[in-house]
Amino acid sequence: DGGITQSPKYLFRKEGQNVTLSCEQNLNHDAMYWYRQDPGQGLRLIYYSQIVNDFQKGDIAEGYSVSREKKESFPLTVTSAQKNPTAFYLCASSISRSGNSYNSPLHFGNGTRLTVT
Amino acid sequence: QKEVEQNSGPLSVPEGAIASLNCTYSDRGSQSFFWYRQYSGKSPELIMSIYSNGDKEDGRFTAQLNKASQYVSLLIRDSQPSDSATYLCAVNSPGGSYIPTFGRGTSLIVHP
Repeated sequence: DGGITQSPKYLFRKEGQNVTLSCEQNLNHDAMYWYRQDPGQGLRLIYYSQIVNDFQKGDIAEGYSVSREKKESFPLTVTSAQKNPTAFYLCASSISRSGNSYNSPLHFGNGTRLTVT
Repeated sequence: QKEVEQNSGPLSVPEGAIASLNCTYSDRGSQSFFWYRQYSGKSPELIMSIYSNGDKEDGRFTAQLNKASQYVSLLIRDSQPSDSATYLCAVNSPGGSYIPTFGRGTSLIVHP
């Protein structure tokens, strides 16, 4: 079955360490996204990528970095520069933004819960 | 700045009642509107999408869109305890490069 796989499900790190969250999709979607969710909050966009080898900052990109070397993969690195990294991280994808696909909804992975102490 | 507003709730309704969830948005050029359901600790899942004014029905769910008033709503008929979740409204707008902007979500509690 097609879908989005995020790993790991839970991640624990010490303050000052960089950590990379994995996101892989086999839906053949062009666009991929990273959102952050804090308790009682909506989803805030960190980074998005509409094609391979290109990505754009979202609303809260500071302290994060991404790469998009393959269509299927969009890993997120949480760096030590991120002041409050503890959160629920969601990866999503959608079909190409070209043509009439501006109406396409997001498909989400199961999320990674990151705790930094 | 594009904004999507939802009442955080919780909205509490008895089993079998109609639950009404509302969402307003700031970008008048918005074109696509989505409702996602999110159970506690889980990721969001799409339940409804709507693109033109009026009502769209899918089983017990009805989405309503009024672009002139810039609001979109979700009605859940015959509410069940399993409907208890947070409902997120998302809007695609040209001002946001058609990247979905999410509201904070409304918590729905359906009590037996």
